[in-house]
Amino acid sequence: GEDVEQSLFLSVREGDSSVINCTYTDSSSTYLYWYKQEPGAGLQLLTYIFSNMDMKQDQRLTVLLNKKDKHLSLRIADTQTGDSAIYFCAESKNTGTASKLTFGTGTRLQVTL
Amino acid sequence: GAVVSQHPSRVICKSGTSVKIECRSLDFQATTMFWYRQFPKQSLMLMATSNEGSKATYEQGVEKDKFLINHASLTLSTLTVTSAHPEDSSFYICSASSGDFNQPQHFGDGTRLSIL
Repeated sequence: GEDVEQSLFLSVREGDSSVINCTYTDSSSTYLYWYKQEPGAGLQLLTYIFSNMDMKQDQRLTVLLNKKDKHLSLRIADTQTGDSAIYFCAESKNTGTASKLTFGTGTRLQVTL
Repeated sequence: GAVVSQHPSRVICKSGTSVKIECRSLDFQATTMFWYRQFPKQSLMLMATSNEGSKATYEQGVEKDKFLINHASLTLSTLTVTSAHPEDSSFYICSASSGDFNQPQHFGDGTRLSIL
């Protein structure tokens, strides 16, 4: 398809791991990003991965990239209630003067006690 | 880290009013700024890309006469919603880029626009 797709909703228990998946569209994307959005707020950059990498780990966050399948995932270890938010993946394409982002549909993560 | 300031954070005004939203990069020079629109429970949709000193490039379906963008300096871009109507009510978010493809865009905190 032409959209960057994510599952709409994920519910996990506090302390468990969360895995949010994303299927992107353009195999020539240079970077792939994960953003977090809390209610009524802007976007917070969580992490990003260059397209020639398979994995990137940053504290509780692990990004896996399967370029062949155009599949990106974000794993949050030891999920906390403060991780409840909407998570967007985004793919980037260079336009000449900057990278243009196309966002996924967003996944709402709910963390329960 | 890089900071992008967006003002105002919330606007409520009557139909027919024009509303200006500012996006400032506070600690870096933004050669390119992007304006997004987000409807409730939906993703961000790119409206336009503005480069300092030149005309903005609008995405398909975005009315350039309705959404005026000015990027007069390397630290400031403005979006003016002209003669706003209730259907223009939305969350508008800007982002700024230094032009380095290896660096991510930095986002403002967004402006919630409500037209009565």
